[in-house]
Amino acid sequence: SYVLTQPPSVSVAPGKTARITCGGNNIGSKSVHWYQQKPGQAPVLVIYYDSDRPSGIPERFSGSNSGNTATLTISRVEAGDEADYYCQVWDSSSDHEVFGGGTKLTVL
Amino acid sequence: EVQLLESGGGLVQPGGSLRLSCAASGFTFSSYAMSWVRQAPGKGLEWVSAISGSGGSTYYADSVKGRFTISRDNSKNTLYLQMNSLRAEDTAVYYCAKYKDIVVVPAAIPLDYWGQGTLVTVSS
Repeated sequence: SYVLTQPPSVSVAPGKTARITCGGNNIGSKSVHWYQQKPGQAPVLVIYYDSDRPSGIPERFSGSNSGNTATLTISRVEAGDEADYYCQVWDSSSDHEVFGGGTKLTVL
Repeated sequence: EVQLLESGGGLVQPGGSLRLSCAASGFTFSSYAMSWVRQAPGKGLEWVSAISGSGGSTYYADSVKGRFTISRDNSKNTLYLQMNSLRAEDTAVYYCAKYKDIVVVPAAIPLDYWGQGTLVTVSS
């Protein structure tokens, strides 16, 4: 089965840039979606189809995907960005959705 | 405004059954595939199952295949998850979610709206 690997945690100072990676075999050939989840809340879609941003999501959020790594980049990080972030792909070999293990973003 | 409201969670003994419901509003329900995603306490997101807009195609995670059944009633704008032979490891918050685009097969499509979830606890 297809596996997505995320770092358990990323820390960044306010105003700096956070990069959260999502590793998978040839993930660059797949469409990657990213979700933000704050404590006690449902996930929110923040990036889809690798780099598209839903309406209402700040331009500070961006995404890229190439080779074996997809990356969610959050520029000018704010305290309100502190949350868990999950990547997701569709594994066509098994017809399964696959989520990464999640990354806890801490704003120092 | 899109709204998804889950219900049916609760405490059930191992080996028992439970049926979750997700009432949808604010969009043409029958046009969109839907999914169930769960989250065990303190853990990450785990995809459970998905269903096409017509209900004709269903998909299951290996961990629930043969025990859970996803279905929908498009006349009632409601998604269901019938859970049988429940185990302790099925304890989680269960979210229903809507796929963003109108497609026949929900492959590589993002989940753009999520409900607030319903808690299922499997314990004796």
